[in-house]
Amino acid sequence: GAGVSQSPSNKVTEKGKDVELRCDPISGHTALYWYRQRLGQGLEFLIYFQGNSAPDKSGLPSDRFSAERTGESVSTLTIQRTQQEDSAVYLCASSLTSGDYNEQFFGPGTRLTVL
Amino acid sequence: AQSVSQHNHHVILSEAASLELGCNYSYGGTVNLFWYVQYPGQHLQLLLKYFSGDPLVKGIKGFEAEFIKSKFSFNLRKPSVQWSDTAEYFCAVSSNNDMRFGAGTRLTVKP
Repeated sequence: GAGVSQSPSNKVTEKGKDVELRCDPISGHTALYWYRQRLGQGLEFLIYFQGNSAPDKSGLPSDRFSAERTGESVSTLTIQRTQQEDSAVYLCASSLTSGDYNEQFFGPGTRLTVL
Repeated sequence: AQSVSQHNHHVILSEAASLELGCNYSYGGTVNLFWYVQYPGQHLQLLLKYFSGDPLVKGIKGFEAEFIKSKFSFNLRKPSVQWSDTAEYFCAVSSNNDMRFGAGTRLTVKP
C-alpha cells in the first residue's frame, strides 16, 4: 500500500473490555513497531517485530498487552481487560528493516478511549 | 536505558521569527538522531536525520539540526518560521535497535 494504515481510527470501550487494534505496514517492510502516546507525553515503545524473529516485547506495560504479526504483514495489538490508563493514541510504524539507520513510517494511529 | 528530553513543551512564535527546539539525550555510545514532525491531522513524518559525518544536518522545509556530541544535544533550528510550520516536533535517538522518542514540542506560529 501507499502508507501504513491502522484501524479503527477511534475506539471507545468500557473498562474491562478487550480491544484489538490493527496495523497494515507498507508492503515489503520487514520491521513493524507499536508505540503508545498518552496525552502530553512522548511516544512510548511497546513492541517490535523483525521478519520471523522473536518480537522484542520489552516495552509492553503489562501482561494485558499482547501483539501478533502474520509473517511480514498485518499486526494486531490486543489489550485485555482495558483500564482507563490505557486511554491513548496507539501508533504503528514500519521500516524496511530494523536497525538504527532505517526511517520509520508511521500510520495515523488509533485513538483509544476507555470509559 | 537511554532517554530523550525536549525541554520546551509549547513554543509560540510569530511568522519570520527564528526557531530553536532543544533536544538532549542520555546515552554514551554511538547514536543516530532524528527529528520527526506531525502536522495537524497528519501522520508523523521524518524531518531530518543524523548518522555520521557533518554534524550540521539539513532537512526538508528549511529545517536544520546540529549534533553536538559533547553536549549530548541535537537541537532543531529554522531561521524564519512560517504559519505552516505549526506542528508537533519529536526528537528521537536510536542505538542498538532501541529507538526512544522525546515528549514532543508543540510549535504554534502566529500569522
